[in-house]
Amino acid sequence: EVQLVESGGDLVQPARSLRLSCAASGFTFDDYAMHWVRQAPGKGLEWVSGISWNSVSIGYADSVKGRFTISRDNAKNSVFLQMNSLRAEDTALYYCAKDKYSSPNYYMDVWGKGTTVIVSS
Amino acid sequence: EIVMTQSPATLSESPGERATLSCRASQSVSSDLAWYQQKPGQAPRLLIFGASTRATGIPARFSGSGSGTEFTLTISSLQSEDFAVYYCQQYKNWPQTFGQGTKVEIK
Repeated sequence: EVQLVESGGDLVQPARSLRLSCAASGFTFDDYAMHWVRQAPGKGLEWVSGISWNSVSIGYADSVKGRFTISRDNAKNSVFLQMNSLRAEDTALYYCAKDKYSSPNYYMDVWGKGTTVIVSS
Repeated sequence: EIVMTQSPATLSESPGERATLSCRASQSVSSDLAWYQQKPGQAPRLLIFGASTRATGIPARFSGSGSGTEFTLTISSLQSEDFAVYYCQQYKNWPQTFGQGTKVEIK
């Protein structure tokens, strides 16, 4: 069964850091690009970041550029999101999602259940 | 960035009725458009990609059409499990962008 399981979400104070992880199983992880997509409470979906199969191609939403860093470890079938300088507006459910192809330029065909990040003092 | 605008925000329909959801892009995205369904408390699920191709396991009552800047998702006969929020997403350009969603509710 194809599965993505996110972890690492927490309540954190503004300006602090947090690292999210996503463990993949059921498919050949290093064949595919991966994404992080977030959803603020009661709001729609916002693409956050994407990474190609070989980590060569990486992109970020303007709202997180310079603060968030995406990475992956193909040996561990995992993708990560390092979030620094967190703001209240980063409060959201963060989804890990698999791209249909090896570059992060397409659509997401598998989604995890998400991990919750709350930024508050 | 490309702005995706969905309409209506909420669609009230009865089971068995036809539902038509619209998505407009601020510039052409060719056919690089996907539709997702999200039920309360669940992750989004891919319905349609390439504007009109159903994803694996998606019932034939779901169909997508359009190209360029105007797109439509049609549910031919609403079933109880179809009442949810639907999002369009363009993947023509980075950043990929989503519409704000259309909620399909029971009338």
